[in-house]
Amino acid sequence: DAGVIQSPRHEVTEMGQEVTLRCKPISGHNSLFWYRQTMMRGLELLIYFNNNVPIDDSGMPEDRFSAKMPNASFSTLKIQPSEPRDSAVYFCASSLGARGIEQFFGPGTRLTVL
Amino acid sequence: KQEVTQIPAALSVPEGENLVLNCSFTDSAIYNLQWFRQDPGKGLTSLLLIQSSQREQTSGRLNASLDKSSGRSTLYIAASQPGDSATYLCAVRPSGSARQLTFGSGTQLTVLP
Repeated sequence: DAGVIQSPRHEVTEMGQEVTLRCKPISGHNSLFWYRQTMMRGLELLIYFNNNVPIDDSGMPEDRFSAKMPNASFSTLKIQPSEPRDSAVYFCASSLGARGIEQFFGPGTRLTVL
Repeated sequence: KQEVTQIPAALSVPEGENLVLNCSFTDSAIYNLQWFRQDPGKGLTSLLLIQSSQREQTSGRLNASLDKSSGRSTLYIAASQPGDSATYLCAVRPSGSARQLTFGSGTQLTVLP
């Protein structure tokens, strides 16, 4: 398996633009997580899905952030409009079913908003 | 609210030394604890997962212990190598139906050749 796949790996955009980050979880995994990592705040969970359904989005910072999971093999995290303070590395992770199973992380998308 | 602390924030050791990384958490009602490694500019690689009912897990030169009642976990690295240089993060999953992990801020390890 190729592991969790994220695209793009790097994104540079201007303030006010829409940004869409993409994630393909490991095949067969039914839980998907979006995290954000910054120097100031470390790793923070934004939202997670179970069987394509959003379970907890309490970590989503503002209405400018939205996430979707239209099927078991694809998820998007959208920021509209983007702001400089959104600059961070965004990670997607997936796991299989039971809570006791490990989460596997993708390589991340480094977002820079100018 | 669960808080996870890792001390020290950075550690530098000569090659060959055995070392211990520490992780503490405030709420002992956890389901499991996971140790990750993060290389610069890369994602997280899962190293070890310890269920709340377990005391330790081992993988090669790595050994992780868990003392849930005192809210502590340690990651022991034997015979350290320069290739072990990375940031090590611990994360806890709460009991109950929640699946999210709460991460510590990590320990940046440098193993000098």
